[in-house]
Amino acid sequence: GAVVSQHPSRVICKSGTSVKIECRSLDFQATTMFWYRQFPKQSLMLMATSNEGSKATYEQGVEKDKFLINHASLTLSTLTVTSAHPEDSSFYICSASYLGLTDTQYFGPGTRLTVL
Amino acid sequence: AQRVTQPEKLLSVFKGAPVELKCNYSYSGSPELFWYVQYSRQRLQLLLRHISRESIKGFTADLNKGETSFHLKKPFAQEEDSAMYYCALMGGSARQLTFGSGTQLTVLP
Repeated sequence: GAVVSQHPSRVICKSGTSVKIECRSLDFQATTMFWYRQFPKQSLMLMATSNEGSKATYEQGVEKDKFLINHASLTLSTLTVTSAHPEDSSFYICSASYLGLTDTQYFGPGTRLTVL
Repeated sequence: AQRVTQPEKLLSVFKGAPVELKCNYSYSGSPELFWYVQYSRQRLQLLLRHISRESIKGFTADLNKGETSFHLKKPFAQEEDSAMYYCALMGGSARQLTFGSGTQLTVLP
């Protein structure tokens, strides 16, 4: 159990376009979802935290107008990279957790974004 | 502010040898610490958490508040243990995870 999926797994887009990445919890209700960014050979950096039905909380230095996060239901959160530029190319990973004894985060497989 | 430090980027040991992956943290509150593992081409997955005090795949980790450390240990490494290991600290109102920079463990035959 506790599976998190992401779609797409890989996306290539032109500079200036917008890209939407979906994160779904398949077999549990995620009260909180997290979005991370991972550069090659580096650690995961938390971008934002989102709770279902409320606005996302962004980490310092993350542009909320550029990285739009929507958490419309307990099983779906989306990250939209608006007006993407080559420097936005990265590996984006989501995780989901639900209130419970373990409070564990379950991670998606990640989405590789390449902006040309 | 919370911080997690993993001083070793790369660590190689021979099969059957003991292995220790170091992790130190900085946090003003009562810490909750985790080890996550990422095998090649797979997603990040939880290996163990300190409050469980369990052993997973032969790995253990003890929280040492005096030394602010949470080192991961295994007495006899196996080739299938080769992976990227991340130490993480949970804190904040939203229970966010702060990750260390990771240690790539390679177990040689």
